[in-house]
Amino acid sequence: EPEVTQTPSHQVTQMGQEVILRCVPISNHLYFYWYRQILGQKVEFLVSFYNNEISEKSEIFDDQFSVERPDGSNFTLKIRSTKLEDSAMYFCASRDDRGGQPQHFGDGTRLSIL
Amino acid sequence: RKEVEQDPGPFNVPEGATVAFNCTYSNSASQSFFWYRQDCRKEPKLLMSVYSSGNEDGRFTAQLNRASQYISLLIRDSKLSDSATYLCVVTSSGGYQKVTFGTGTKLQVIP
Repeated sequence: EPEVTQTPSHQVTQMGQEVILRCVPISNHLYFYWYRQILGQKVEFLVSFYNNEISEKSEIFDDQFSVERPDGSNFTLKIRSTKLEDSAMYFCASRDDRGGQPQHFGDGTRLSIL
Repeated sequence: RKEVEQDPGPFNVPEGATVAFNCTYSNSASQSFFWYRQDCRKEPKLLMSVYSSGNEDGRFTAQLNRASQYISLLIRDSKLSDSATYLCVVTSSGGYQKVTFGTGTKLQVIP
């Protein structure tokens, strides 16, 4: 069964540094998403991406965040100047373009900011 | 009112028991509904979609009540492997499908 893959599985970074989290969505999917989950808390929506542009973003997704689909397969989340509170699991998800279809999640990147 | 609300639990039930989880949502225009399960420190995994007519998948039954803005999940004959957090997920209408997760209900099935 096709799956969403994310790399790296764990990223440790100094506060203030930039990080790029990578995702390879399922190949025929057209909608892409990033979520984060702080330890012990709920899954929070960050951003959705369709047709090479952001379609919706939450208030968490401020100017330090950006997303990109640099080629036909990767979907990246960049955090420009990381803060301690950015420490969380980051999940990428994708879905196809049929209405009502569920999103499929990658197994996440654990981001630890020191 | 929270967008998607769930009883956080934990629900501690013996093997073989039947357990039910409820979820309420605030946006009456919500379009699609799902139950996901999440194991500790793992990604959410789709358990089942929830259809207006109700649907069943083996030991799992999901129900949707649009009038009351309420979703339920019933697990029959609980197994140890059912221990996880169950996430109610509600999506908005429209192609972009904004997804809102409930906080999850933790289930612990005890031998």
